[in-house]
Amino acid sequence: QKEVEQNSGPLSVPEGAIASLNCTYSDRGSQSFFWYRQYSGKSPELIMSIYSNGDKEDGRFTAQLNKASQYVSLLIRDSQPSDSATYLCAVNLGYSGYSTLTFGKGTMLLVSP
Amino acid sequence: DTEVTQTPKHLVMGMTNKKSLKCEQHMGHRAMYWYKQKAKKPPELMFVYSYEKLSINESVPSRFSPECPNSSLLNLHLHALQPEDSALYLCASSQDSSTLAKNIQYFGAGTRLSVL
Repeated sequence: QKEVEQNSGPLSVPEGAIASLNCTYSDRGSQSFFWYRQYSGKSPELIMSIYSNGDKEDGRFTAQLNKASQYVSLLIRDSQPSDSATYLCAVNLGYSGYSTLTFGKGTMLLVSP
Repeated sequence: DTEVTQTPKHLVMGMTNKKSLKCEQHMGHRAMYWYKQKAKKPPELMFVYSYEKLSINESVPSRFSPECPNSSLLNLHLHALQPEDSALYLCASSQDSSTLAKNIQYFGAGTRLSVL
């Protein structure tokens, strides 16, 4: 069973703090890793994608990937109340020759003013 | 432009009705996906179309029938649904569905379906 694990939270941080979201995956053959943000009642919105070991930064967001540890994380700096949402980790797995996304259950982030 | 358009936004149907969900993208993507998402759960893959051919059916009941008339359009035909089928139905598209490509899936806003 190929799995993607996330802490369901909620993760509560004060405004201006760094929020750290973590994700582990079971399939060593995974090629691509994504973080989606989903507000309540809305559809997932891509925040970050990462494909190689190390850090990738985009504005206030930094994704970190460690394939040896099968671990991917998302750091949100200077957290804002508008960042309050569920963050879904998604891993691109091979499936019968086609790439498909497997999602973690999501971590709810609450940023308090 | 990374827009995937889904219609309708909301749908209420009875268990004997037949309805269809529509998804459209004009990004030249050749892979399109249907997902089902229940409240407080992650999206679950239902179908994958690659180059207008059904590539993956995740053991979805036959009361859900997908159709891909062309590379820009994806439909999901609904018939004799059950109340437990009430959920947010999400369409997504990506450049293609090859395993090693750095595919990014872009999601539409979804159709919220209620089955009475």
